[in-house]
Amino acid sequence: EPEVTQTPSHQVTQMGQEVILRCVPISNHLYFYWYRQILGQKVEFLVSFYNNEISEKSEIFDDQFSVERPDGSNFTLKIRSTKLEDSAMYFCASSEVSRSSGYTFGSGTRLTVV
Amino acid sequence: DQQVKQNSPSLSVQEGRISILNCDYTNSMFDYFLWYKKYPAEGPTFLISISSIKDKNEDGRFTVFLNKSAKHLSLHIVPSQPGDSAVYFCAASRGNQGGKLIFGQGTELSVKP
Repeated sequence: EPEVTQTPSHQVTQMGQEVILRCVPISNHLYFYWYRQILGQKVEFLVSFYNNEISEKSEIFDDQFSVERPDGSNFTLKIRSTKLEDSAMYFCASSEVSRSSGYTFGSGTRLTVV
Repeated sequence: DQQVKQNSPSLSVQEGRISILNCDYTNSMFDYFLWYKKYPAEGPTFLISISSIKDKNEDGRFTVFLNKSAKHLSLHIVPSQPGDSAVYFCAASRGNQGGKLIFGQGTELSVKP
């Protein structure tokens, strides 16, 4: 079964450093997303991406965050200057045109900012 | 922002019995609802969805019911199996394809043998 692949599975970084989280969405999917889950809290939407541009973003997704689809397969989330409160599980997801098949999530990257 | 709420943080059920997980929402613009299952250290796995034009959708042991007037949906698992033990999230979206999902807080289901 096709899956969304995320790397790395765990990233530890120092506060103020830049991190790039990587995702390979399912190949025939057209919509791409990043979500995050802070420990003990709900899964929160960060950003959606379609047709090589951001289609929607949340208030969490401020100027410190950016997304990119540098080639035909990868989808990245960059955090420019990490803060302690950025520590969370970050999930990439993708979906095809029809919503009935759901959104497929990756296994996540656990980001720990120290 | 509590647009989607799952008021029961946990539920314990005997194997073979029915599990009923509940979810309430406040935004009447939501038109598509999904249930996800999540194991620790994994991403959410899609289970079943329902459009707002329906009141029921069934897939094997899983049935989702939607009551639009009450802004309430529920997931029924019959019969429950120990492998169903996980955290279950309901999520809602609205309008266009590719719309963001708003998640509830999750309910941890434990199915005891």
